[in-house]
Amino acid sequence: EPEVTQTPSHQVTQMGQEVILRCVPISNHLYFYWYRQILGQKVEFLVSFYNNEISEKSEIFDDQFSVERPDGSNFTLKIRSTKLEDSAMYFCASSEARNNSPLHFGNGTRLTVT
Amino acid sequence: AQKVTQAQTEISVVEKEDVTLDCVYETRDTTYYLFWYKQPPSGELVFLIRRNSFDEQNEISGRYSWNFQKSTSSFNFTITASQVVDSAVYFCALSGHGSARQLTFGSGTQLTVLP
Repeated sequence: EPEVTQTPSHQVTQMGQEVILRCVPISNHLYFYWYRQILGQKVEFLVSFYNNEISEKSEIFDDQFSVERPDGSNFTLKIRSTKLEDSAMYFCASSEARNNSPLHFGNGTRLTVT
Repeated sequence: AQKVTQAQTEISVVEKEDVTLDCVYETRDTTYYLFWYKQPPSGELVFLIRRNSFDEQNEISGRYSWNFQKSTSSFNFTITASQVVDSAVYFCALSGHGSARQLTFGSGTQLTVLP
Protein backbone atom coordinates (compact mmCIF):
# COMPACT_ATOMS: atom_id res chain seq x y z
CA GLU A 1 0.00 0.00 0.00
CA PRO A 2 1.44 3.43 -0.90
CA GLU A 3 2.52 5.51 2.04
CA VAL A 4 3.74 8.93 3.03
CA THR A 5 7.42 8.89 3.93
CA GLN A 6 9.20 11.40 6.11
CA THR A 7 12.87 12.04 6.70
CA PRO A 8 14.67 12.21 9.02
CA SER A 9 12.86 10.28 11.73
CA HIS A 10 14.62 12.32 14.39
CA GLN A 11 16.34 15.69 14.08
CA VAL A 12 18.24 17.45 16.82
CA THR A 13 19.11 21.09 16.35
CA GLN A 14 20.28 24.04 18.37
CA MET A 15 18.04 26.99 19.12
CA GLY A 16 18.23 29.59 16.39
CA GLN A 17 19.21 27.13 13.67
CA GLU A 18 17.19 26.48 10.55
CA VAL A 19 15.74 23.03 9.93
CA ILE A 20 14.09 21.46 6.92
CA LEU A 21 11.78 18.52 7.38
CA ARG A 22 11.16 16.44 4.31
CA CYS A 23 8.19 14.45 3.11
CA VAL A 24 7.29 12.40 0.07
CA PRO A 25 3.49 12.29 -0.22
CA ILE A 26 1.53 9.52 -1.90
CA SER A 27 2.09 9.97 -5.61
CA ASN A 28 -1.48 10.55 -6.85
CA HIS A 29 -2.43 12.82 -3.96
CA LEU A 30 -2.82 16.53 -4.63
CA TYR A 31 -3.25 17.99 -1.14
CA PHE A 32 -0.40 18.10 1.34
CA TYR A 33 -0.33 19.00 5.00
CA TRP A 34 1.85 19.52 8.01
CA TYR A 35 0.64 18.83 11.53
CA ARG A 36 2.57 18.84 14.77
CA GLN A 37 2.20 17.09 18.10
CA ILE A 38 3.98 18.47 21.13
CA LEU A 39 4.87 15.57 23.42
CA GLY A 40 1.80 14.25 25.21
CA GLN A 41 -0.54 16.76 23.59
CA LYS A 42 -3.03 16.72 20.75
CA VAL A 43 -2.18 16.81 17.09
CA GLU A 44 -2.45 20.36 15.71
CA PHE A 45 -2.92 21.57 12.16
CA LEU A 46 -0.19 23.79 10.74
CA VAL A 47 -0.76 24.19 7.02
CA SER A 48 -2.33 22.72 3.91
CA PHE A 49 -0.91 23.07 0.42
CA TYR A 50 -2.50 22.62 -2.99
CA ASN A 51 -1.51 23.58 -6.50
CA ASN A 52 1.81 24.99 -5.33
CA GLU A 53 0.37 27.35 -2.80
CA ILE A 54 -0.82 27.42 0.78
CA SER A 55 -4.57 26.84 0.95
CA GLU A 56 -5.02 27.11 4.72
CA LYS A 57 -2.80 27.78 7.69
CA SER A 58 -3.26 27.97 11.42
CA GLU A 59 -2.13 30.71 13.77
CA ILE A 60 0.77 28.46 14.76
CA PHE A 61 2.16 28.76 11.23
CA ASP A 62 3.81 32.14 11.61
CA ASP A 63 6.57 33.81 9.60
CA GLN A 64 9.24 31.44 10.84
CA PHE A 65 7.57 28.58 9.00
CA SER A 66 7.46 28.00 5.27
CA VAL A 67 6.53 25.14 2.99
CA GLU A 68 7.69 24.24 -0.44
CA ARG A 69 7.26 21.62 -3.11
CA PRO A 70 10.67 21.92 -4.74
CA ASP A 71 10.11 19.14 -7.25
CA GLY A 72 7.42 16.68 -8.28
CA SER A 73 7.80 14.44 -5.28
CA ASN A 74 9.07 16.23 -2.17
CA PHE A 75 7.17 18.48 0.19
CA THR A 76 9.20 20.34 2.81
CA LEU A 77 8.61 22.29 5.99
CA LYS A 78 11.28 24.86 6.90
CA ILE A 79 11.59 26.40 10.32
CA ARG A 80 13.84 29.43 9.97
CA SER A 81 15.06 30.05 13.49
CA THR A 82 14.07 27.27 15.82
CA LYS A 83 12.91 27.87 19.36
CA LEU A 84 12.77 25.44 22.26
CA GLU A 85 8.98 25.33 21.96
CA ASP A 86 9.25 24.05 18.39
CA SER A 87 10.29 20.68 19.82
CA ALA A 88 7.54 18.32 18.70
CA MET A 89 6.66 15.49 16.37
CA TYR A 90 5.93 16.88 12.93
CA PHE A 91 3.61 14.86 10.72
CA CYS A 92 3.27 15.22 7.00
CA ALA A 93 0.04 14.05 5.38
CA SER A 94 -1.47 13.89 1.95
CA SER A 95 -4.94 13.31 0.54
CA GLU A 96 -6.74 12.93 -2.74
CA ALA A 97 -8.39 15.90 -4.39
CA ARG A 98 -11.97 14.96 -3.53
CA ASN A 99 -13.40 16.86 -0.62
CA ASN A 100 -12.80 15.37 2.80
CA SER A 101 -10.90 12.40 1.52
CA PRO A 102 -9.03 10.95 4.49
CA LEU A 103 -5.56 12.21 5.29
CA HIS A 104 -2.79 9.66 5.19
CA PHE A 105 -0.02 10.50 7.60
CA GLY A 106 3.66 9.73 7.54
CA ASN A 107 5.53 8.30 10.49
CA GLY A 108 6.57 11.73 11.67
CA THR A 109 9.83 13.53 12.35
CA ARG A 110 10.69 14.09 15.98
CA LEU A 111 12.33 17.52 16.22
CA THR A 112 14.32 18.28 19.35
CA VAL A 113 15.54 21.83 19.82
CA THR A 114 18.26 22.23 22.44
CA ALA B 1 -15.12 27.14 16.33
CA GLN B 2 -14.75 23.39 16.31
CA LYS B 3 -13.91 21.24 19.27
CA VAL B 4 -13.40 17.54 19.89
CA THR B 5 -13.47 16.17 23.41
CA GLN B 6 -12.15 12.78 24.41
CA ALA B 7 -12.84 12.72 28.11
CA GLN B 8 -11.08 9.40 28.73
CA THR B 9 -7.38 10.10 29.03
CA GLU B 10 -6.36 6.51 29.73
CA ILE B 11 -8.16 3.19 29.69
CA SER B 12 -6.79 -0.21 30.70
CA VAL B 13 -8.54 -3.44 29.88
CA VAL B 14 -7.61 -7.09 29.96
CA GLU B 15 -7.30 -8.92 26.68
CA LYS B 16 -10.60 -10.11 25.21
CA GLU B 17 -12.62 -7.46 26.98
CA ASP B 18 -14.69 -5.03 24.94
CA VAL B 19 -13.83 -1.36 25.25
CA THR B 20 -15.55 1.82 24.08
CA LEU B 21 -13.70 5.06 23.45
CA ASP B 22 -15.85 8.17 23.69
CA CYS B 23 -15.76 11.18 21.41
CA VAL B 24 -17.94 14.27 21.65
CA TYR B 25 -17.68 17.07 19.13
CA GLU B 26 -18.85 20.63 18.65
CA THR B 27 -19.30 22.37 15.34
CA ARG B 28 -21.53 24.99 13.78
CA ASP B 29 -21.24 23.40 10.37
CA THR B 30 -24.20 21.41 9.09
CA THR B 31 -21.91 19.35 6.90
CA TYR B 32 -18.88 17.89 8.59
CA TYR B 33 -16.75 14.77 8.74
CA LEU B 34 -15.57 12.70 11.68
CA PHE B 35 -12.49 10.52 11.79
CA TRP B 36 -10.71 8.10 14.06
CA TYR B 37 -6.95 7.64 13.93
CA LYS B 38 -4.75 5.19 15.81
CA GLN B 39 -1.27 6.09 17.04
CA PRO B 40 0.65 2.96 18.09
CA PRO B 41 3.80 3.21 20.22
CA SER B 42 5.87 3.55 17.04
CA GLY B 43 4.31 7.00 16.60
CA GLU B 44 2.64 7.00 13.20
CA LEU B 45 -0.98 8.03 12.71
CA VAL B 46 -3.10 5.35 11.11
CA PHE B 47 -6.44 6.23 9.54
CA LEU B 48 -9.29 4.02 10.77
CA ILE B 49 -12.58 5.52 9.61
CA ARG B 50 -14.28 8.58 8.13
CA ARG B 51 -17.94 9.42 8.63
CA ASN B 52 -19.95 12.27 7.12
CA SER B 53 -22.63 14.12 9.03
CA PHE B 54 -25.44 12.83 6.83
CA ASP B 55 -24.70 9.19 7.45
CA GLU B 56 -25.68 8.07 10.92
CA GLN B 57 -25.58 4.41 10.08
CA ASN B 58 -23.28 2.56 12.44
CA GLU B 59 -20.33 0.80 10.90
CA ILE B 60 -18.59 -2.41 11.75
CA SER B 61 -15.20 -3.49 10.47
CA GLY B 62 -14.01 -6.72 12.01
CA ARG B 63 -13.58 -6.14 15.73
CA TYR B 64 -14.07 -2.39 15.33
CA SER B 65 -17.41 -0.63 15.37
CA TRP B 66 -18.44 2.99 15.42
CA ASN B 67 -21.61 4.56 16.82
CA PHE B 68 -22.42 7.98 15.40
CA GLN B 69 -25.24 9.83 17.15
CA LYS B 70 -25.93 13.30 15.88
CA SER B 71 -28.46 14.00 18.63
CA THR B 72 -25.73 13.78 21.25
CA SER B 73 -22.86 14.93 18.99
CA SER B 74 -21.00 11.74 19.69
CA PHE B 75 -18.93 9.38 17.60
CA ASN B 76 -17.88 6.51 19.83
CA PHE B 77 -15.52 3.71 18.92
CA THR B 78 -15.81 0.18 20.27
CA ILE B 79 -13.20 -2.55 20.06
CA THR B 80 -14.62 -6.00 20.63
CA ALA B 81 -12.47 -8.77 22.10
CA SER B 82 -9.49 -6.46 22.54
CA GLN B 83 -5.97 -7.66 21.84
CA VAL B 84 -2.59 -6.52 23.12
CA VAL B 85 -1.82 -5.10 19.65
CA ASP B 86 -4.74 -2.70 20.07
CA SER B 87 -2.69 -0.82 22.66
CA ALA B 88 -2.26 2.68 21.27
CA VAL B 89 -3.45 6.24 21.53
CA TYR B 90 -6.70 6.74 19.65
CA PHE B 91 -7.63 10.15 18.30
CA CYS B 92 -11.03 11.35 17.21
CA ALA B 93 -10.97 14.23 14.70
CA LEU B 94 -13.40 16.55 12.97
CA SER B 95 -13.33 18.57 9.76
CA GLY B 96 -15.97 21.06 8.83
CA HIS B 97 -17.42 22.07 5.53
CA GLY B 98 -15.88 25.49 5.64
CA SER B 99 -12.44 24.19 6.37
CA ALA B 100 -12.68 20.84 4.80
CA ARG B 101 -9.03 19.97 4.91
CA GLN B 102 -8.18 21.10 8.40
CA LEU B 103 -8.65 18.41 11.01
CA THR B 104 -9.35 19.32 14.60
CA PHE B 105 -8.12 16.51 16.83
CA GLY B 106 -9.21 15.48 20.27
CA SER B 107 -6.59 15.03 22.96
CA GLY B 108 -6.56 11.26 22.49
CA THR B 109 -7.27 8.24 24.65
CA GLN B 110 -4.39 5.97 25.65
CA LEU B 111 -5.67 2.40 25.50
CA THR B 112 -3.63 -0.29 27.19
CA VAL B 113 -4.66 -3.89 26.67
CA LEU B 114 -3.09 -6.18 29.23
CA PRO B 115 -2.38 -9.84 28.45
